[in-house]
Amino acid sequence: QQQVKQSPQSLIVQKGGIPIINCAYENTAFDYFPWYQQFPGKGPALLIAIRPDVSEKKEGRFTISFNKSAKQFSLHIMDSQPGDSATYFCAASLSGSARQLTFGSGTQLTVLP
Amino acid sequence: ETGVTQTPRHLVMGMTNKKSLKCEQHLGHNAMYWYKQSAKKPLELMFVYSLEERVENNSVPSRFSPECPNSSHLFLHLHTLQPEDSALYLCASSQDQGGWNEQYFGPGTRLTVT
Repeated sequence: QQQVKQSPQSLIVQKGGIPIINCAYENTAFDYFPWYQQFPGKGPALLIAIRPDVSEKKEGRFTISFNKSAKQFSLHIMDSQPGDSATYFCAASLSGSARQLTFGSGTQLTVLP
Repeated sequence: ETGVTQTPRHLVMGMTNKKSLKCEQHLGHNAMYWYKQSAKKPLELMFVYSLEERVENNSVPSRFSPECPNSSHLFLHLHTLQPEDSALYLCASSQDQGGWNEQYFGPGTRLTVT
């Protein structure tokens, strides 16, 4: 029940395309859903996050869509660039004194020039 | 960088060695974390120190031992490791204040157990 399932495992798009990465969860008590971006040799970095009281959040070219009834959320990258090539992780957590993130398995995105 | 530093960046150790990983955060946060990142697997939370309280993942073997002497420093002591412990070990910190818990990660220590 604590798992977060992420798909696809890898994704290749042309520059300017709109890659979409999907995540699904089981635990309805999750109340915080961040996305992290990781470049080779670096730790994950917070990209964008959403709470379940909204259905969409945009920050620059990155958008999270959230479907509470389906227990799914997704990341869309508009006008993707080669510099967006990285591994993307979704995550979810519960309220508590120290939020313990449950991560998806990651999606390796390649944006071709 | 993110304000979270880790040393060493790379470590090769034999199964009988004892070594320690170090993490330091310069962000004034009050919570620190150790994660294990293996290829094609989700990041696995190993330990959390929040407001000086320790929370641990019960599946982590006892050959991993954390230490948090203060809110800025975190160590992971390693002894008699196995080859399957080879992975990237990530440290993170956050300000635990009951709101959104944005975790900031260090670059990781790439550990190889021979």
